[in-house]
Amino acid sequence: EAGVVQSPRYKIIEKKQPVAFWCNPISGHNTLYWYLQNLGQGPELLIRYENEEAVDDSQLPKDRFSAERLKGVDSTLKIQPAELGDSAVYLCASSLMGIDEQFFGPGTRLTVL
Amino acid sequence: SQQGEEDPQALSIQEGENATMNCSYKTSINNLQWYRQNSGRGLVHLILIRSNEREKHSGRLRVTLDTSKKSSSLLITASRAADTASYFCATGGVGGGYNKLIFGAGTRLAVHP
Repeated sequence: EAGVVQSPRYKIIEKKQPVAFWCNPISGHNTLYWYLQNLGQGPELLIRYENEEAVDDSQLPKDRFSAERLKGVDSTLKIQPAELGDSAVYLCASSLMGIDEQFFGPGTRLTVL
Repeated sequence: SQQGEEDPQALSIQEGENATMNCSYKTSINNLQWYRQNSGRGLVHLILIRSNEREKHSGRLRVTLDTSKKSSSLLITASRAADTASYFCATGGVGGGYNKLIFGAGTRLAVHP
């Protein structure tokens, strides 16, 4: 069974540029999460989807961050414009609704110069 | 904000020794999970213990939960070099509702051959 797929794995951009991350969850997993992980810290939830509905986006900085999961399968997280402080690893995870265990992708390491 | 705090922040041991990591949290929980993260990789779920359980085993892993002290411990017995990774505790179901995971900052374990 394929795991959670994320792309790109690495991204280097100049500040004020836009950037997008893509995630394809495990087949059949209707819950999808985006996390932010700063160096030396644990992941922090940005947004959670149940199917195509964003049910918890309270931690998403909406002035510059946006996300979508149009068909309830894969998802895109966008930052526009990027700031120096956005340099981090962006993790995607998925789970079956009602199941506590989450499955994580390898993450996208973003460097903003 | 992060609810869980792991202790120690870093641990260095020899192969064959046992490794113990502790996690403390602040509010009531539904469950507590431990995840492992190898360098440059995503998180891998290790074990979940529910609030009504006190101890759980999985292979060389032993997890305890003391809800009165709001603390948990992860014991890895007979450690191997391949156990070198960061270990995170994550509290689930904080304040009721869905299983939103709140991660601690992690313990970095180094196992030397």
